[in-house]
Amino acid sequence: DAGVTQSPTHLIKTRGQQVTLRCSPKSGHDTVSWYQQALGQGPQFIFQYYEEEERQRGNFPDRFSGHQFPNYSSELNVNALLLGDSALYLCASSWNRGKNEQYFGPGTRLTVT
Amino acid sequence: EDKVVQSPLSLVVHEGDTVTLNCSYEVTNFRSLLWYKQEKKAPTFLFMLTSSGIEKKSGRLSSILDKKELFSILNITATQTGDSAVYLCAASKGNAGNMLTFGGGTRLMVKP
Repeated sequence: DAGVTQSPTHLIKTRGQQVTLRCSPKSGHDTVSWYQQALGQGPQFIFQYYEEEERQRGNFPDRFSGHQFPNYSSELNVNALLLGDSALYLCASSWNRGKNEQYFGPGTRLTVT
Repeated sequence: EDKVVQSPLSLVVHEGDTVTLNCSYEVTNFRSLLWYKQEKKAPTFLFMLTSSGIEKKSGRLSSILDKKELFSILNITATQTGDSAVYLCAASKGNAGNMLTFGGGTRLMVKP
């Protein structure tokens, strides 16, 4: 049973560029949440997708956007990258009708130079 | 504003010691408290606590929630070097989706 997978593992971008990160949820899960984890801090909630729509959003600017596909996989897009966007981006999946325990992927380490 | 605070920030112990990690929360529409272990990248799920006063156990790890005082503790007995990690607690809200608000984590180092 495959767990949550994310790609790419690492990414280096320049300020002003755009980036797309990808996530495939754990088998049987239909909800995907994205988190940003800066070095030495706990993860911060960006947004959550369910039924191909953004259901909840944290305190992040519109430069952060996402998408969920019919197979429940998801993308996180960040436009106009800033140095402060450098972080580990974690994807978590859960089953909407279950206990909502969220299971995390290995993350994508984004470095903005 | 929702808030989750963990203490201590870091802890160094020797193998065989028992440790207690603390997590306090102020979250509107609170639903449950989750504990995760993060070694390198992916936080690994440990416990989800919904009811007050009921201890959850998994091997040498145990956790309990106090919904009146708004805190939870994670105990690790007979610590091993493999327990070295950052331990994160998170509070989920009762609305659809259960977004998680995380604390800053406790970094535990277990020395041989």
